[in-house]
Amino acid sequence: DGGITQSPKYLFRKEGQNVTLSCEQNLNHDAMYWYRQDPGQGLRLIYYSQIVNDFQKGDIAEGYSVSREKKESFPLTVTSAQKNPTAFYLCASSVMGRDRPEAFFGQGTRLTVV
Amino acid sequence: EDQVTQSPEALRLQEGESSSLNCSYTVSGLRGLFWYRQDPGKGPEFLFTLYSAGEEKEKERLKATLTKKESFLHITAPKPEDSATYLCAVQEKRNAGNMLTFGGGTRLMVKP
Repeated sequence: DGGITQSPKYLFRKEGQNVTLSCEQNLNHDAMYWYRQDPGQGLRLIYYSQIVNDFQKGDIAEGYSVSREKKESFPLTVTSAQKNPTAFYLCASSVMGRDRPEAFFGQGTRLTVV
Repeated sequence: EDQVTQSPEALRLQEGESSSLNCSYTVSGLRGLFWYRQDPGKGPEFLFTLYSAGEEKEKERLKATLTKKESFLHITAPKPEDSATYLCAVQEKRNAGNMLTFGGGTRLMVKP
């Protein structure tokens, strides 16, 4: 079945550590996105990529980094510079262009700072 | 600044009690408006895309409508399994990418 796989489901980070969240899709989508969700709030865009080896900052990119070396993969690194990383992280993908522009989401990674 | 505002923040209904959720938006040019359902601890599940004022989409007990300033998600005779957070999001024409701007969501609780 086609879909988006995020791993791990739960992740614990110590102060000062970098951690990387995985996102893989087999939908053959060109575009991929990372969103952050805080309790009781909507989703905010961290980074997005429309093509391999290219990505752009979203609204809250500070303290995060990404790479897009393969079409299927868009990992997110939460660096020690991110002061409040505890949140629910969601990866999404979509086609480019105006036809079928809806984004499809993975099941999320819950990151907690310990 | 582009904004998406959903109301109410939370809604409690009895099973069978129909109601509507509101999504108000202000964007410079709307490419599309999207509704998603999100269960606790899960990723959002796509429900509908609306493109132009007057458009309507239906799926089971849900019906989404769109005007130039807002969208409604009507829930007819809801069941407990409809309990979830419903998210509204917009895409702007000026953006080359298909990224979404989300509202804060409406948490729906349907009691049997």
